[in-house]
Amino acid sequence: EAAVTQSPRNKVTVTGGNVTLSCRQTNSHNYMYWYRQDTGHGLRLIHYSYGAGNLQIGDVPDGYKATRTTQEDFFLLLELASPSQTSLYFCASSDWGGASYEQYFGPGTRLTVL
Amino acid sequence: QQKVQQSPESLIVPEGGMASLNCTSSDRNVDYFWWYRQHSGKSPKMLMSIFSNGEKEEGRFTVHLNKASLHTSLHIRDSQPSDSALYLCAARTGGSNAKLTFGKGTKLSVKS
Repeated sequence: EAAVTQSPRNKVTVTGGNVTLSCRQTNSHNYMYWYRQDTGHGLRLIHYSYGAGNLQIGDVPDGYKATRTTQEDFFLLLELASPSQTSLYFCASSDWGGASYEQYFGPGTRLTVL
Repeated sequence: QQKVQQSPESLIVPEGGMASLNCTSSDRNVDYFWWYRQHSGKSPKMLMSIFSNGEKEEGRFTVHLNKASLHTSLHIRDSQPSDSALYLCAARTGGSNAKLTFGKGTKLSVKS
């Protein structure tokens, strides 16, 4: 089973604060994704990447930066956090060449911006 | 505008009953669909994928796909309380793009 880990699991910050969410996958998957999940909106894609140094824009990128430093590690950066970014954040990875193109999700990070 | 629409928003079925969930895309370029299941407090996990017209069955779960209408449905027979979860439909726009668009989900409750 693919393994995706996220840290921290919970984070509270203040408006204007800097936040970095971390994600690591240990399955040599080429694609990694950052989503946010909010009641009434479902899962929405923020950014994704198909390899180290690559970044693709998702559907709700405003206010977020991301960086893929290695095959395993993908970071989401909120440089001036706002209350509207309070959400549950999921990281996922997939081997796009695989048979089912399944995305494997991490456990999630709950972020609260006061 | 949500490109992947799911219905109903919520569904209650008795234990042992049949649950039917629907998903439609408004993007004519969609080619592949997935169904994910998310239990309360957990992360989404892929349940089934369907890429071709027709039907696919895995145990108590059956998915249908009509590519002409961009409609997929998930049917759960002999529903169990452990099936209670949020069911998310995801679609991919055709081509080499590995980006998925998720619907808002259907919350299924199975009552014993």
